[in-house]
Amino acid sequence: AQKVTQAQTEISVVEKEDVTLDCVYETRDTTYYLFWYKQPPSGELVFLIRRNSFDEQNEISGRYSWNFQKSTSSFNFTITASQVVDSAVYFCALSGIQAGTALIFGKGTTLSVSS
Amino acid sequence: NAGVTQTPKFQVLKTGQSMTLQCAQDMNHNSMYWYRQDPGMGLRLIYYSASEGTTDKGEVPNGYNVSRLNKREFSLRLESAAPSQTSVYFCASSGPGGGRGNQPQHFGDGTRLSIL
Repeated sequence: AQKVTQAQTEISVVEKEDVTLDCVYETRDTTYYLFWYKQPPSGELVFLIRRNSFDEQNEISGRYSWNFQKSTSSFNFTITASQVVDSAVYFCALSGIQAGTALIFGKGTTLSVSS
Repeated sequence: NAGVTQTPKFQVLKTGQSMTLQCAQDMNHNSMYWYRQDPGMGLRLIYYSASEGTTDKGEVPNGYNVSRLNKREFSLRLESAAPSQTSVYFCASSGPGGGRGNQPQHFGDGTRLSIL
């Protein structure tokens, strides 16, 4: 069965701190996709990144970076120099490779950044 | 470009009432999904439609039915609402978008449903 675990329920940091959100997944598939979504206090879900299991290169986008390690089944998300606007619930998700496959979400990590 | 539109945004029902949540996307996506979000539970898949004309159960389908009316529209029906169905419901759509494999899902703004 597929499963995504986000062990950190809530994290609180002060602005400008770096913070890492952990994501561990389970799947029997040899190929799959991993995703991160952001849900700000306004409630909408915003897509951040998609990573396929073939590509273990880390990715950086501005203050965001993602560390994918297939050997440990982890896909961790780091925010550098956090800002108050980063306060949100962050979800990690897993899916099969085929188009139209549904996502399996973790329970989310609530990040609070204070000034 | 509206993306994924859900109606209504808020609704209060009494136990036993029925209701249909509407979802429409204008991105020419093949696949559509319904999730529910409950505190501490993340998003759980209710039903999905990988392509027009097909629907499949997700993790929590009991008490719900769906209809893929056409490529744009995917509705979720509660036949006899129960307090346990109080939740925030999200509709999403995806792909193909010209890319390979499973494409990111685009979400609507959600429907907050309370059942008394």
